[in-house]
Amino acid sequence: NAGVTQTPKFQVLKTGQSMTLQCAQDMNHNSMYWYRQDPGMGLRLIYYSASEGTTDKGEVPNGYNVSRLNKREFSLRLESAAPSQTSVYFCASRVTGGRNEQYFGPGTRLTVT
Amino acid sequence: SQQGEEDPQALSIQEGENATMNCSYKTSINNLQWYRQNSGRGLVHLILIRSNEREKHSGRLRVTLDTSKKSSSLLITASRAADTASYFCATIPQGGSEKLVFGKGTKLTVNP
Repeated sequence: NAGVTQTPKFQVLKTGQSMTLQCAQDMNHNSMYWYRQDPGMGLRLIYYSASEGTTDKGEVPNGYNVSRLNKREFSLRLESAAPSQTSVYFCASRVTGGRNEQYFGPGTRLTVT
Repeated sequence: SQQGEEDPQALSIQEGENATMNCSYKTSINNLQWYRQNSGRGLVHLILIRSNEREKHSGRLRVTLDTSKKSSSLLITASRAADTASYFCATIPQGGSEKLVFGKGTKLTVNP
């Protein structure tokens, strides 16, 4: 099992450009999450999906959109990137009804200039 | 807003010593979890303690929970250089099953 995979690993964007971060999990988990991590901070939840076909806002959703394409895949889109979105983005998943522990991908380091 | 606050923000010890990290949180919880993050990597789940538990062990890890003080501690015994990482506490607030709320983390350095 690969667990949770994310692409790309690194990305540099100019202000106003758009991009989609991809996430996939092969653990048959129902719930998936997108977080951002800024220096000296913990993780902040951007969006989550409790099941295929549903998405909900987290703590910092502004400037982002998400798509739960199927049970395996959950993508995060930046429509018009801003320097404030420079961050490391993590995708995570967990099995619903389980012990609530989340499994994390390796992260995408995004720089917006 | 962040639910958990870890203390200290940074901790440097010698190999073989014990490391203790503390976490305080603000609201009632279902459970509290500890995660480790090695530099440049994703987070890895270490241990979960439920709100009705007071202490839990896993290998060299010992976690305590005091719900009256809204605090938890993570003890790593006989630390190794490989334990060098950032450690985060995360809580599931009562009534919320999806949103895991993280603290800012403790950066632990174990010197060989």
